[in-house]
Amino acid sequence: AQSVTQPDIHITVSEGASLELRCNYSYGATPYLFWYVQSPGQGLQLLLKYFSGDTLVQGIKGFEAEFKRSQSSFNLRKPSVHWSDAAEYFCAVGSDNFGNEKLTFGTGTRLTIIP
Amino acid sequence: KAGVTQTPRYLIKTRGQQVTLSCSPISGHRSVSWYQQTPGQGLQFLFEYFSETQRNKGNFPGRFSGRQFSNSRSEMNVSTLELGDSALYLCASSLIRGRAGNEQFFGPGTRLTVL
Repeated sequence: AQSVTQPDIHITVSEGASLELRCNYSYGATPYLFWYVQSPGQGLQLLLKYFSGDTLVQGIKGFEAEFKRSQSSFNLRKPSVHWSDAAEYFCAVGSDNFGNEKLTFGTGTRLTIIP
Repeated sequence: KAGVTQTPRYLIKTRGQQVTLSCSPISGHRSVSWYQQTPGQGLQFLFEYFSETQRNKGNFPGRFSGRQFSNSRSEMNVSTLELGDSALYLCASSLIRGRAGNEQFFGPGTRLTVL
């Protein structure tokens, strides 16, 4: 069964500092990996996705993530955070079975930005 | 292109009642998935519909059901509501390509409160 672990429940970062959010997955085959962001009271917005190919993927809002198969990780990074980045971030894994659209999410990491 | 819309946005019900939530996917998207989000359990997959057929189902009791119409709009129904059904219900749509790992686009959710 597929699973996702986000070990950090809450992270606080100063505005302008760099950010890395951790994500580890468990999946028996080629994973399809996603990062979503959720602002309070809102739905989920897709930041970026990894399907295959280049292991460093670029997303919206200046985010990037690196897929490391040997470590079963898909960490999200941003070189300089802005106050508007404060939100909850979810890593998710999708099945490689065509016709199975289920996403399995991690428990999320809440990001707080301090001035 | 309009995003995923969900109605109503907020709902208050009492135990034992039933409720129906509605989701309109992005135009052209034929797959609709539903997720439940609670503070305790996080984001959990309920079910997925494609071409009016339920293709996948999560681990929820039979009180949770859904359907999809020919225009891809979807509804989910919860019967005999329990306090624990209070949650944010998220709908997501995806454009099914000839491969797995299609990205899902989420609506703003319906906040259900059961009293």
